[in-house]
Amino acid sequence: GAGVSQSPSNKVTEKGKDVELRCDPISGHTALYWYRQSLGQGLEFLIYFQGNSAPDKSGLPSDRFSAERTGGSVSTLTIQRTQQEDSAVYLCASSPPGGSGGTYNEQFFGPGTRLTVL
Amino acid sequence: TQLLEQSPQFLSIQEGENLTVYCNSSSVFSSLQWYRQEPGEGPVLLVTVVTGGEVKKLKRLTFQFGDARKDSSLHITAAQPGDTGLYLCAGSPGYSTLTFGKGTMLLVSP
Repeated sequence: GAGVSQSPSNKVTEKGKDVELRCDPISGHTALYWYRQSLGQGLEFLIYFQGNSAPDKSGLPSDRFSAERTGGSVSTLTIQRTQQEDSAVYLCASSPPGGSGGTYNEQFFGPGTRLTVL
Repeated sequence: TQLLEQSPQFLSIQEGENLTVYCNSSSVFSSLQWYRQEPGEGPVLLVTVVTGGEVKKLKRLTFQFGDARKDSSLHITAAQPGDTGLYLCAGSPGYSTLTFGKGTMLLVSP
């Protein structure tokens, strides 16, 4: 597809379980971002991947959260031992390389994964 | 931490009315973007402004970047129900991450 895709679109889990959320960025985009959006809140930055550089993990709220990006493309966000406060929409975005429309960090978002922790 | 304050938080108007929403910060940004998000979807980029004082028009939407590159406004003329959504501003201090405001929820009734 032409856009960013995320799966699953909805995930309901029990407190204490681990979950994995997947993001397929736009082909050729070198930057990938994960955000969390809670009801009534803006987008909370979680983690940023740029090419082969070490990821910027400064937004991860706890060590229960981790993310990987394999082969510079697909990314997986893992939440271990989920808590009710983890319930939110998790959004992934990608950006093209700088100098090709991405100079100003313009981001293209997927539809998100709605996570509900019971 | 660079913060972006958006106002108003919520706006409900009738079709045909004009409106302005604001995005303010005490920090300087190299660029600022506006996104619109509809329910169940991710944000979609509307515009990027990069020069202090810049004005960009996108049909009935007019975007302005403050002279000092700390604030921005979005003006919608003759709003339509299709304009309904969450409007988010996002500032970039450089070329990596964006800082998002909490958004203005706009509801345009027929």
